[in-house]
Amino acid sequence: GEDVEQSLFLSVREGDSSVINCTYTDSSSTYLYWYKQEPGAGLQLLTYIFSNMDMKQDQRLTVLLNKKDKHLSLRIADTQTGDSAIYFCAETLSGNTPLVFGKGTRLSVIA
Amino acid sequence: EAQVTQNPRYLITVTGKKLTVTCSQNMNHEYMSWYRQDPGLGLRQIYYSMNVEVTDKGDVPEGYKVSRKEKRNFPLILESPSPNQTSLYFCASSLGLLGRGEETQYFGPGTRLLVL
Repeated sequence: GEDVEQSLFLSVREGDSSVINCTYTDSSSTYLYWYKQEPGAGLQLLTYIFSNMDMKQDQRLTVLLNKKDKHLSLRIADTQTGDSAIYFCAETLSGNTPLVFGKGTRLSVIA
Repeated sequence: EAQVTQNPRYLITVTGKKLTVTCSQNMNHEYMSWYRQDPGLGLRQIYYSMNVEVTDKGDVPEGYKVSRKEKRNFPLILESPSPNQTSLYFCASSLGLLGRGEETQYFGPGTRLLVL
């Protein structure tokens, strides 16, 4: 079965870059997503990448995909205190299956 | 404003007392889903619905029921709640199943349930 793994915690200093990693097990995943959950709120889609891409950049966010190793990462440049949240990696296997989420990485930004 | 609403936001109840958590979306989305979020376990899908009168089990459906009589509403029903159903529940919707990256899934604000 499919499984998405993430480390549970990450702590960085304000202004540094954050890198949140995710591994998945199903090589047939089509889209991979990063969601952000701020305290007391629901999940918000940050970005996604299609499986035939290696990289996607969107302002301070860079997503890297290593399909051979089934490894996905989210890099946040110039991390701010407002970036403190839980970040979820998620995959969908095909057009007819629901999302599978990782357990989430809690990012703490130290001022 | 496009949104997913859930009610109630907070609920304390006792074991065995039936309850319903409502979910409504105003985006004419076909796909709706319920998740529960527990510390260390992330999000786990309870049930999902691909359209009116079409529902299917997710990863953790035991103890829950859903219905989809109208496109906009997808209530979650706990017929006989137990303490292990104490959790944070999220409803979500999207235009279709997520095989296309641009179809984002919108999440509700969450319902925090405590079963005593």
